[in-house]
Amino acid sequence: NAGVTQTPKFQVLKTGQSMTLQCAQDMNHEYMSWYRQDPGMGLRLIHYSVGAGITDQGEVPNGYNVSRSTTEDFPLRLLSAAPSQTSVYFCASTPEGGMSGELFFGEGSRLTVL
Amino acid sequence: QKEVEQDPGPLSVPEGAIVSLNCTYSNSAFQYFMWYRQYSRKGPELLMYTYSSGNKEDGRFTAQVDKSSKYISLFIRDSQPSDSATYLCAPHNDYKLSFGAGTTVTVRA
Repeated sequence: NAGVTQTPKFQVLKTGQSMTLQCAQDMNHEYMSWYRQDPGMGLRLIHYSVGAGITDQGEVPNGYNVSRSTTEDFPLRLLSAAPSQTSVYFCASTPEGGMSGELFFGEGSRLTVL
Repeated sequence: QKEVEQDPGPLSVPEGAIVSLNCTYSNSAFQYFMWYRQYSRKGPELLMYTYSSGNKEDGRFTAQVDKSSKYISLFIRDSQPSDSATYLCAPHNDYKLSFGAGTTVTVRA
């Protein structure tokens, strides 16, 4: 059982470049979300989705776009990368529409913006 | 002010010691109190959770919540080198899950 799969695991970008972080889950979870993790800041919610076709903003959405065309996939797009977006990004999914609080995380994507 | 404040650590303890981890929170609407464990270069995984105030024990782990003082604790008894990780508290209510910054624990053999 693969769970939540994130690609790429590592990426280096130059300021102004765009890219997409991929996330796929095979658990048929309706709720998916993206977090970024920075030292001393904890995990902060970027965007989330309660089902296919439905997305909403989290705590730190600026500079990021998401879409949810299928239950399985929830890509995160960086429109014009900035050094402040250097972080570790985690995708997570949960059953029960997010009510349970139990998130299943991917292994993370480490992004460096020069 | 952050919604969840967690003792930053890091903590380094000898094998067999009791580890005490603490968080405070400001939102009185939180009903569920989760603890996640994150090994180095991995994603967090749910360790245990409690509902409302009280204690919950799971093997060597005990979670405590005092809603009157908005204080959350996790205790690890007979700590093992395999417990070396970052521990994140995460109060939760409906769709809102707020994470503490995490405390890194190293258990020395």
